[in-house]
Amino acid sequence: AQTVTQSQPEMSVQEAETVTLSCTYDTSESNYYLFWYKQPPSRQMILVIRQEAYKQQNATENRFSVNFQKAAKSFSLKISDSQLGDTAMYFCAFIGAGNMLTFGGGTRLMVKP
Amino acid sequence: DAGVIQSPRHEVTEMGQEVTLRCKPISGHNSLFWYRQTMMRGLELLIYFNNNVPIDDSGMPEDRFSAKMPNASFSTLKIQPSEPRDSAVYFCASSKRERYNEQFFGPGTRLTVL
Repeated sequence: AQTVTQSQPEMSVQEAETVTLSCTYDTSESNYYLFWYKQPPSRQMILVIRQEAYKQQNATENRFSVNFQKAAKSFSLKISDSQLGDTAMYFCAFIGAGNMLTFGGGTRLMVKP
Repeated sequence: DAGVIQSPRHEVTEMGQEVTLRCKPISGHNSLFWYRQTMMRGLELLIYFNNNVPIDDSGMPEDRFSAKMPNASFSTLKIQPSEPRDSAVYFCASSKRERYNEQFFGPGTRLTVL
């Protein structure tokens, strides 16, 4: 069974600065996808970024990028130039051959003005 | 293009009542997932369907919970009888059936059982 661990329950960052959210996972599968989802107070789950395990290049989406370390089973999210609208819960998630998402416990990010 | 639609958005009911949550997946998606989010357990998968057929219901907490997908554009999650510990946000998500595909989430239904 897969597990996803987010060790930072809460984090804060000043507006315009950079913050990194951590995620580790455990799996015996070699082919899988990893995701970061954002859940603002509206509770809508919004996909931020996706990484395919067989790709060595780290995914980027505008101000969001990941540091994917497959051997270490680590998948961190970096948010550059943080904005007030980035305030939300962030969930790391794994999907393997079973086609079912396994989520971490979440990190609550507060962006301060 | 409409996203995943869930209804109702909020439901308040009394213990012992039957509750039915509804979901309309994105057109063309043939996998549908029901998740529950609570403070204690986080986000957990309850059940998922491929082409209207339940594939894995190991996350369904007990017999009081049942889910159906009578056609490609509609699914229900029913709780009968409801209990206070069922209070949670219930999400429906859909994706194309190909492996590893991105799941699109609905806005969720916040259920409160008094």
